[in-house]
Amino acid sequence: DVKVTQSSRYLVKRTGEKVFLECVQDMDHENMFWYRQDPGLGLRLIYFSYDVKMKEKGDIPEGYSVSREKKERFSLILESASTNQTSMYLCASTGTGTKKGEQYFGPGTRLTVT
Amino acid sequence: AQSVSQHNHHVILSEAASLELGCNYSYGGTVNLFWYVQYPGQHLQLLLKYFSGDPLVKGIKGFEAEFIKSKFSFNLRKPSVQWSDTAEYFCAVIGTNTGGFKTIFGAGTRLFVKA
Repeated sequence: DVKVTQSSRYLVKRTGEKVFLECVQDMDHENMFWYRQDPGLGLRLIYFSYDVKMKEKGDIPEGYSVSREKKERFSLILESASTNQTSMYLCASTGTGTKKGEQYFGPGTRLTVT
Repeated sequence: AQSVSQHNHHVILSEAASLELGCNYSYGGTVNLFWYVQYPGQHLQLLLKYFSGDPLVKGIKGFEAEFIKSKFSFNLRKPSVQWSDTAEYFCAVIGTNTGGFKTIFGAGTRLFVKA
C-alpha cells in the first residue's frame, strides 16, 4: 500500500512565524502535490513537483514556497504565516505507474495561525 | 478554464435511501475522472475512477458512477446508503492529452446519513 505521511496532524503558529510542513511518500512516486482544503472551496493546488528539485506553481502559490531535495520528501514552507493561511493542508503523490490523476493523499495537517 | 461543478454542497438522507451526487466538468479533451471520499477524521481516498471503456464504473462499498460524455457528467450513485457513508465526496478531473499534472477538484458534497 502506498503510504503518504505528513509531519504533523495539528499545528498552531503565530502570525509572522516561518512554518514548515513536511510530506514523505514511500512508493518512489515522481510527482508530489500540496493542496489546501477549505470548506466550500474543495482542494486548491498550491505547488507540485514532478522531479527532485523541480517545482511548479499551482493555483494559489502566493505566500508559499516548496522544497524537494529528495524524491520521497516534499516540503511546504510558509515564509511568514498569516491568519488567512489557517487551513487544512494535504499532501499527495502519484507515479508514472499509476494512471494520470490518481492520487494518494496524506492525513492532512490542520494549521491554525493566530 | 477547466472546472468541476458539484451540484449539492450538503445532502441529508435516511438510511436505505438512494443517493445520486451530481458532477459536471468543463474540459474539451479526453479526461480521466475520479470520485474521492473523506470519511470523518480519515485520509482522502479514491472511491472510483474512469479512464476509458465501459462508462459505468464500480467502486468500493457499492458505489458506482456513470460517465456521460455528451453531458460532461460523472454522477455518483448508490442504491441504498448506510450511516457509515457519512463523509465528504469530491469529484475530480484531469485532461489526459496534455502534459499537465493538475487535477481539478470540485468543491465537495457533504453527505450526512441519518441512522
